Amino acid sequence: QSVLTQPPSVSGAPGQRVTISCTGGGSNIGAGYDVHWYQQLPGTAPKLLIYDNNNRPSGVPDRFSGSKSGTSASLAITGLRAEDEADYYCQSHDRILGSSVFGGGTKLTVL
Amino acid sequence: QVQLVQSGAEVKRPGASVKVSCKASGFTFTSYFMHWMRQAPGQGPEWMGIINAGDGSTSYAQKFRGRLSMTRDTSTDTLFMELRSLRSEDTAVYYCARGQENDYFDFWGQGTRVTVSS
Repeated sequence: QSVLTQPPSVSGAPGQRVTISCTGGGSNIGAGYDVHWYQQLPGTAPKLLIYDNNNRPSGVPDRFSGSKSGTSASLAITGLRAEDEADYYCQSHDRILGSSVFGGGTKLTVL
Repeated sequence: QVQLVQSGAEVKRPGASVKVSCKASGFTFTSYFMHWMRQAPGQGPEWMGIINAGDGSTSYAQKFRGRLSMTRDTSTDTLFMELRSLRSEDTAVYYCARGQENDYFDFWGQGTRVTVSS
């Protein structure tokens, strides 16, 4: 059971927009800690996609964006492409655990 | 360019120990906090602990305290993670990662698969 809750799967057709939610609680996202997102292609390590809620590292297309409100955060992907098919994870800090925490992951399928 | 290159896959018996290495290059190693995570099959990553590559100080997640050790060798810019008293639930891919100030991880190693089986 992950501290941060994500939907197990989402899907969309090429060119469409999808969103992935990440729900936490008062000791993590709701306590004001930032949310970060990672993309994991099959058989590879996670790759930083969004940091500090809505910032993209160099090289990440602007089709990817993040937002945060209250105890939740969202990752939006516009103009879906086949190469976006991957697992996506959110991450934040938990005040009670005193450590970084991750969501259980969302598998994105491009139809 | 930043690279983190980890040691190869390991197979261990329950009760044994495993030591995984992570060689860093492309950045000033001693200026960063480095982290270890693991990812069990079908699950999200799990944070294990952090080491200050400069002074070697460490902090571990509660669940690993007592059987986890993180060290570093500044002469070779290499991290080490040792997990003792292995059990089947420790079967996972283990990752090292470079930490940034707001607790996110901007570069990851390729992962080391550790299998614990009798």
